[in-house]
Formats: sequence, C-alpha cells, structure tokens
Amino acid sequence: AQKVTQAQTEISVVEKEDVTLDCVYETRDTTYYLFWYKQPPSGELVFLIRRNSFDEQNEISGRYSWNFQKSTSSFNFTITASQVVDSAVYFCALSELIQGAQKLVFGQGTRLTINP
Amino acid sequence: GAVVSQHPSRVICKSGTSVKIECRSLDFQATTMFWYRQFPKQSLMLMATSNEGSKATYEQGVEKDKFLINHASLTLSTLTVTSAHPEDSSFYICRGKTGTEAFFGQGTRLTVV
Repeated sequence: AQKVTQAQTEISVVEKEDVTLDCVYETRDTTYYLFWYKQPPSGELVFLIRRNSFDEQNEISGRYSWNFQKSTSSFNFTITASQVVDSAVYFCALSELIQGAQKLVFGQGTRLTINP
Repeated sequence: GAVVSQHPSRVICKSGTSVKIECRSLDFQATTMFWYRQFPKQSLMLMATSNEGSKATYEQGVEKDKFLINHASLTLSTLTVTSAHPEDSSFYICRGKTGTEAFFGQGTRLTVV
C-alpha cells in the first residue's frame, strides 16, 4: 500500500534560518505524483508543488526548493531564509491511481513555527 | 487556477441534526469529487470518492448511511452529515478532479454541540 512519512512532527526555528522538511514515501506504482501543501491556521490547503515520478529535477521557487530523489524515495522541502509567515502545517502527499481515480495519500504533517 | 467553492466555511449544529456541505466547481467540470476529513492536529484522511452520476465509494470505516454524498452534476457535489454527534466535529474538505488536475475547496469546520 502507498504510504507517506513525515518524521518531523514539529519544527521550530528562528526567522531567517533555513529549514528542511522531510518526506519519505512508499509505492509500488511506477507512475505517481508527489505534492506539498501548506495549511495555515485558517485551514485551507495551499498548493505548493506537484512533481511526477519521471521528473527528478530539483525545483526552486523563490525561497522554496524541493529535492526529489527516487533512489531514496524522498521528496524533501527546504525553505531558505524563513519568515514568520511561513509558520503553518506542511503536508507531503502521494497520488496513487486506484480504479481509475487518483487518490491523495497524505503524510502526518509537519508543524513549522518560525519565531521572530 | 480552477476554483472549487465550498460552503459553509464554518458551521455549528446541535447533536442529532443533519448538516449539508456543498462543493461547486466554478470554472471546470469535476468528474470526480474526493471528500476528506481532518480531525484536530491530525492528517487528512480520504472518506469517499464520487463520480458524477454514480454512487460514491467509501473508504473502510466510513459509514455510508451517515455521510451521504451526492454528485448529481459535474459542478456540484454535496456531503450530508446525518444525525451528527460531537465526535463528527472535524474539518471536512472536498477535492474536485478533472482530467489529471484536481483542486481543493476551502474546507468546512464542523462543530457539533
């Protein structure tokens, strides 16, 4: 069965520090998608990135970067020069194809607190 | 990007009553709608998957008679929590899918008192 593990339950850093959120996944599918979402206190899920299993290129978007390594089944997320507004719960998710649908399986989430 | 409008954003209801949550895809046709539930400080868990015009498929442990899902059109899906109890208090969120793209609604925070 597909599974996503975010081993870090909570992380707390001081503003301007770099922080990496880990994500390890398990799947038997050869074709799959990996996602990161941000969930601020208001609750909505903010889409950050989607990566398909055939694209191992690292991605950078402003202060955000993602490192996808199929060899270790990891899809880690780094925030550079963190800011207080980055405080939120971050979820890594895996999209599995079951019976024609594409279900998302979420990790447990990492609560990130950026202190001023 | 495409938008899924979910209402209400917050609702408080008395124990034993029913609550209906709506998700509308505003600028695309959602052939599939996924419904998730998130208890406080926990992850999101899939409750059910519905395809337009078909009966929903529920995940193991989710009572289909308690959580009624209707997906009668490509732009509207509803989740009705029947005879709600305090343990049903949770954050419910839908995700509409079209092709290979899918989009979340804003979520509904349900409190049963």
